[in-house]
Amino acid sequence: SQKIEQNSEALNIQEGKTATLTCNYTNYSPAYLQWYRQDPGRGPVFLLLIRENEKEKRKERLKVTFDTTLKQSLFHITASQPADSATYLCALSYGSSNTGKLIFGQGTTLQVKP
Amino acid sequence: DGGITQSPKYLFRKEGQNVTLSCEQNLNHDAMYWYRQDPGQGLRLIYYSQIVNDFQKGDIAEGYSVSREKKESFPLTVTSAQKNPTAFYLCASRTTADMHYEQYFGPGTRLTVT
Repeated sequence: SQKIEQNSEALNIQEGKTATLTCNYTNYSPAYLQWYRQDPGRGPVFLLLIRENEKEKRKERLKVTFDTTLKQSLFHITASQPADSATYLCALSYGSSNTGKLIFGQGTTLQVKP
Repeated sequence: DGGITQSPKYLFRKEGQNVTLSCEQNLNHDAMYWYRQDPGQGLRLIYYSQIVNDFQKGDIAEGYSVSREKKESFPLTVTSAQKNPTAFYLCASRTTADMHYEQYFGPGTRLTVT
């Protein structure tokens, strides 16, 4: 069955550094991959989407890479700020693309210290 | 203000009672989704609907039911048959326009059953 793994431990970094979060998956080939941010007790917020034929996507201080050979996505936040502290969820499409169905990783909690 | 609303934010029920969680959106989105989130786990898909009067089971539909009588509304009923109903429930929606797959989430309902 499909499996998706994110760094299970929390990531603690100093303000100004680059945070790198990992998402690994097995047993299938998603058409696209998404990253969401979730704050405690709130719903996730969409950040970025990358398709299977794309290697990299950027949006402001965010960068996502997608390696379909390694079955891995990396999510980078450059010049991190304390306000970036949150849980980040990786989500992969499965089934037919037009259903929009996603399988989510368990999330990685990022703490940025001033 | 466009968005998704879920009510109530916190809900308490006794075992053996059915309970209905509300989800309303004014984004004019065709597709809507229900997920549950448990501590340390990824979001898991319960039901989804891509059009009014039609819905499909997700990965963990047992013990749940939904209806989609209006485009704006997708209520979820947690029945007494659901063995482990205590969880954080999230509703999401998305447009089915071409190449748009990001989901917009509501604030969630935390259900506690004792």
